[in-house]
Amino acid sequence: GENVEQHPSTLSVQEGDSAVIKCTYSDSASNYFPWYKQELGKGPQLIIDIRSNVGEKKDQRIAVTLNKTAKHFSLHITETQPEDSAVYFCAASRRNTPLVFGKGTRLSVIA
Amino acid sequence: EPEVTQTPSHQVTQMGQEVILRCVPISNHLYFYWYRQILGQKVEFLVSFYNNEISEKSEIFDDQFSVERPDGSNFTLKIRSTKLEDSAMYFCASSRTPGGETQYFGPGTRLLVL
Repeated sequence: GENVEQHPSTLSVQEGDSAVIKCTYSDSASNYFPWYKQELGKGPQLIIDIRSNVGEKKDQRIAVTLNKTAKHFSLHITETQPEDSAVYFCAASRRNTPLVFGKGTRLSVIA
Repeated sequence: EPEVTQTPSHQVTQMGQEVILRCVPISNHLYFYWYRQILGQKVEFLVSFYNNEISEKSEIFDDQFSVERPDGSNFTLKIRSTKLEDSAMYFCASSRTPGGETQYFGPGTRLLVL
């Protein structure tokens, strides 16, 4: 089955700097890659997703890139703000299968 | 904006007791899921449900677990005889279509088994 690895487990950045979180997946048939943000005591909230027919997607300060050949995808947050501090999870799935999550990255944005 | 809701937000129970966790998925969604997150660990899939039956389940979802859609809006997870290791956050999610479609998560139920 699918296995998703996520790095780093913790990340601290200065406010205004960029943050990059990377994930790799094992199942070449996976075609959907969402990123979730989880704040303390809350459920995961989808922030951006990408499908395997595109290589990059951007939404304001957030972007995701996908390299199907290498089977990895990354989350990029630019101009980080203190409210970006949270745990970020990547996930992967293919049609008719459940999401498989990475172990999460705790991002701290230092003001 | 439509959202997934879950009740209760917290549940404390004694080992061996039955618990029922409740979820109201987004109204036009057809696929429902339960996930579990042990403190500090990743979110793990338990079960998916479509058309009033389980479509897929993980190894975690053993005979102590069951799911039900008792009416047109609720989706429940029952743990028949809770164990200490069942202590976790339980998240319900829903989507319009299976796999490859956005899943929306509820706020979770924190279950503590003593």
